[in-house]
Amino acid sequence: QSALTQPPSASGSPGQSVTISCTGTSSDVGAYNYVSWYQQYPGKAPKLMIYEVNKRPSGVPDRFSGSKSANTASLTVSGLQAEDEADYYCTSYGGSSKFYVFGTGTTVSVL
Amino acid sequence: EVQLVESGGGLVQSGGSLRLSCAASGFTFSNYEMNWVRQAPGKGLAWVSYINRNSKSIHYADSVKGRFTISRDNAKNSLYLQMNSLRDEDTAVYYCAREKGDCGGDCNDFWGQGTLVTVSS
Repeated sequence: QSALTQPPSASGSPGQSVTISCTGTSSDVGAYNYVSWYQQYPGKAPKLMIYEVNKRPSGVPDRFSGSKSANTASLTVSGLQAEDEADYYCTSYGGSSKFYVFGTGTTVSVL
Repeated sequence: EVQLVESGGGLVQSGGSLRLSCAASGFTFSNYEMNWVRQAPGKGLAWVSYINRNSKSIHYADSVKGRFTISRDNAKNSLYLQMNSLRDEDTAVYYCAREKGDCGGDCNDFWGQGTLVTVSS
């Protein structure tokens, strides 16, 4: 099960937007609308931010949005705030053979 | 309040075994699918195993297939991970996580605090 590919880092100034990509294959990201995104602070458990490509769990600010095109999913954080500085991971369903696969992770810095 | 509390981690020699437990409370455990996810020190998240509500559907990552066994006891509100033939690369914090009910894919809405497994050669 190869990991989905994310950029190691992304950054932006407060108030700006940052977009993180998550590239898979036609067997996972491209095949299913089952992409989720997690936020993780150091030493803490992950938190679900986006599921089924673009749905937000209750309590997640609408500054967080998700999308997908072909084999690449994206997470956009608008109106960056200092508290958004964290690691972000995508994950996708990959069918009965791969089942679930995580992305390599992206560290977002707020300049 | 939903709570997931992992236990059973520790230091084990390469080739040894450990059994992790996850005690669930604050929700009807039998209604939810569950996952184990791990994170090696300084590394990213990696999905380990999935079990559905009645234990009829179980899946494993290739890296642990044949060595790890996931199970659950709905009467005891508990999830387990039996880990055999442990390798150095299994060293990680292991999280149990609950899948959000109305969701397709890997959407874990509650996570435990994690338990550290260290495999020493």
